[in-house]
Amino acid sequence: DTAVSQTPKYLVTQMGNDKSIKCEQNLGHDTMYWYKQDSKKFLKIMFSYNNKELIINETVPNRFSPKSPDKAHLNLHINSLELGDSAVYFCASSHRLAGAYEQYFGPGTRLTVT
Amino acid sequence: RKEVEQDPGPFNVPEGATVAFNCTYSNSASQSFFWYRQDCRKEPKLLMSVYSSGNEDGRFTAQLNRASQYISLLIRDSKLSDSATYLCVVNLRSNDYKLSFGAGTTVTVRA
Repeated sequence: DTAVSQTPKYLVTQMGNDKSIKCEQNLGHDTMYWYKQDSKKFLKIMFSYNNKELIINETVPNRFSPKSPDKAHLNLHINSLELGDSAVYFCASSHRLAGAYEQYFGPGTRLTVT
Repeated sequence: RKEVEQDPGPFNVPEGATVAFNCTYSNSASQSFFWYRQDCRKEPKLLMSVYSSGNEDGRFTAQLNRASQYISLLIRDSKLSDSATYLCVVNLRSNDYKLSFGAGTTVTVRA
């Protein structure tokens, strides 16, 4: 029944490793997002896809690469992990334009880089 | 100036009290405004949208003041379960798909 799901929920890894986070939504939404929430609690948009097309690409290191195989899935691959990548990564989805419509968030992936 | 700015609090209030707080936004052309709620170590969830005329949802009242560029949230008859961080969220530019989030206002309701 989960509307937006993410895996894994927790991820502990060492610097330099490559890891992926997966997101799936069963709400029939056509827009999906990746956010990063750091220790100061600011929630910052990283990427957004609408119908599998990249529409938002914030100033994010190119070690981060999103991929949307279809409207219901959005994955995030991170290469060469750094200590500063430690944060909670939230996936979200919405119908059409975020400006007018509610975003539904996944439970988050807590990434710790040691 | 931050795009969306909130008083971080914390606001510590007794059960039954009224608590209110504001959020300022930088772009006068902003069109869409929301309050989200985030519990500790959980995901943000929409509490309510904020309409130009102001709107109420049970014990929660949201207001928009375009002239002064702020939105407000008022919680009446506070419950212990209202303890959370309240995020102000704004679509700053109408031709932009992005939502901008404030850092949140923490409310703690005590028995």
